[in-house]
Amino acid sequence: AQSVAQPEDQVNVAEGNPLTVKCTYSVSGNPYLFWYVQYPNRGLQFLLKYITGDNLVKGSYGFEAEFNKSQTSFHLKKPSALVSDSALYFCAVRDKWDYIPTFGRGTSLIVHP
Amino acid sequence: EAQVTQNPRYLITVTGKKLTVTCSQNMNHEYMSWYRQDPGLGLRQIYYSMNVEVTDKGDVPEGYKVSRKEKRNFPLILESPSPNQTSLYFCASSGQGDSTEAFFGQGTRLTVV
Repeated sequence: AQSVAQPEDQVNVAEGNPLTVKCTYSVSGNPYLFWYVQYPNRGLQFLLKYITGDNLVKGSYGFEAEFNKSQTSFHLKKPSALVSDSALYFCAVRDKWDYIPTFGRGTSLIVHP
Repeated sequence: EAQVTQNPRYLITVTGKKLTVTCSQNMNHEYMSWYRQDPGLGLRQIYYSMNVEVTDKGDVPEGYKVSRKEKRNFPLILESPSPNQTSLYFCASSGQGDSTEAFFGQGTRLTVV
């Protein structure tokens, strides 16, 4: 069985500071990892994914994530946070042969002006 | 425009009155799924479908039914809704390529009184 853990319910950061939203995973095969963002009253939107190759992947809105196989982590990062980044962020994992992903519980990111 | 469309967006109903939430995707995706989102619990999968006439239970299927008679549609049926099914529901679809991400509908906020 596959699982995802997002250890922080909420992350607070000041605008202009770097941000990190943490994610660890468990999967039997090679992991396919995803980050999604949910703004209020909206559905989830895809941000970025890791399938294979370079451990640092870049996505939408200046976000990036680093895949660390030994630590089974896929933390979401951004060098300089914006107030408009405030939203709910979900990490998801699946293996190659399971096309329906498993989601974490979500982390609320609050960026203060 | 590629999209997943859910209807209705908002619904208030009474206990025991059957209802259907529709979901349609225009991307010719094989895989579709339903999730419910509750505070503190993240996204929990209700049912999923790997193709037409192929459906399977997710983590919280009790009280729900689905059908997949056409590739594009995946309705969620609550035969006898109860207040504990008050939640925010999302439909998602993804393609057959092994690296594709999920696309989400805008959500349906259901209140059962």
